[in-house]
Amino acid sequence: EPEVTQTPSHQVTQMGQEVILRCVPISNHLYFYWYRQILGQKVEFLVSFYNNEISEKSEIFDDQFSVERPDGSNFTLKIRSTKLEDSAMYFCASHPGRGRSYNEQFFGPGTRLTVL
Amino acid sequence: QKEVEQNSGPLSVPEGAIASLNCTYSDRGSQSFFWYRQYSGKSPELIMFIYSNGDKEDGRFTAQLNKASQYVSLLIRDSQPSDSATYLCAGRGSGGSYIPTFGRGTSLIVHP
Repeated sequence: EPEVTQTPSHQVTQMGQEVILRCVPISNHLYFYWYRQILGQKVEFLVSFYNNEISEKSEIFDDQFSVERPDGSNFTLKIRSTKLEDSAMYFCASHPGRGRSYNEQFFGPGTRLTVL
Repeated sequence: QKEVEQNSGPLSVPEGAIASLNCTYSDRGSQSFFWYRQYSGKSPELIMFIYSNGDKEDGRFTAQLNKASQYVSLLIRDSQPSDSATYLCAGRGSGGSYIPTFGRGTSLIVHP
């Protein structure tokens, strides 16, 4: 069964460094998302992406964050200058945008980001 | 500010019992509601979604929605130890947004 994949599973970085989190959504899906979940906290929406542009973003998604779909398969989240409070699990999700699974976002396994 | 509230638990039920998980939401414009299951350290997995008032059943799971009371619930019949997880409630769809707002989740423990 197709699934969303994410790499790396765990990223450790120093405060102030740039990180890129990578996701490969399910191949025929049209909508892509990034969420984060700080340990013990809620899942929080960051950004949605459709037709090669951001469709919605939250207040968390400030100028330090950017997303890209560089090659038609990967979907990346870049954090330019990481802060301690960026430490969280980052989930990528996708959904087809039509048909039976319209309501279902398929989540990837997540990347645990630790900022030291 | 859109809020989805859940009791964090833990809710502890014996194997075979009915587990009842509840959720309230603040945004009257929310159109659809979702229940996700999340095992520790794993990603959320959709169990059910509901957008009409009333009950929706899928196997051992029943979702209930009461828009007048802004209340959503999930019943799990014949609870199994493998159902032990955190259950996330999410609401979506106000003002043209398709972005879900998640609750903090309720921890369910099903003991043998």
